[in-house]
Amino acid sequence: SYELRQPPSVSVSPRQTATITCSGDSLPHRSAYWFQQKPGLAPVLVIYKETERPSGIPERFSGSISGTTVTLTISEVQAEDEADYYCQSTDSSGAYVIFGGGTKLTVL
Amino acid sequence: QVQLVQSGAEVKEPGASVRVSCEASGFNFANYYMVWIRQAPGQGLEWMGIIDPSGYATSYAQKFRGRITMTRDTSTSTVHMDLRILTSGDTAVYYCVRDNGGYGFDFWGQGTLVTVSA
Repeated sequence: SYELRQPPSVSVSPRQTATITCSGDSLPHRSAYWFQQKPGLAPVLVIYKETERPSGIPERFSGSISGTTVTLTISEVQAEDEADYYCQSTDSSGAYVIFGGGTKLTVL
Repeated sequence: QVQLVQSGAEVKEPGASVRVSCEASGFNFANYYMVWIRQAPGQGLEWMGIIDPSGYATSYAQKFRGRITMTRDTSTSTVHMDLRILTSGDTAVYYCVRDNGGYGFDFWGQGTLVTVSA
């Protein structure tokens, strides 16, 4: 079955840049999204269509795509950015939604 | 403002069924697909299925087919998710989510904890 692969954890110091990757064979052909989830809360959409940022999301959040990998970049990381991050896309048919396994971002 | 308010926590025995409801406000409910996503304790997000704006078309993840039904009532701006033949593996927080097409899953309910235990 189709999978999206994320690193389980990423650590970064405050004010540094965090990069979280998500790999999947269909990513060049299907839109990708990123969600931030803090403990006990519902996920929040932070990036849509690989690179677009919803209103209200800080500019330090950005997305990119290269081949079969999409990347979430958080510049000037703040303590409040510590959270789980999930990528999401669809399978090759576009019919079924898939989530990556999630990456725990730790701000040291 | 857009709000999705879900029904309260449930405790069910194995083999039982559960209905989780979600009332929408702040947007034209009749224009949007709605999805359900769940999250088991300490685990990742799992898409369960989608219901179209009319309520006549649904699509479910393969693992839930045969024991899940999604319905909606435009008159009350409410969407429901019924899950049958519950097992301990169904213990999770269930989220209703607005599907804004290419703009993504942009609004989420607060989540409903369903606990399946004997």
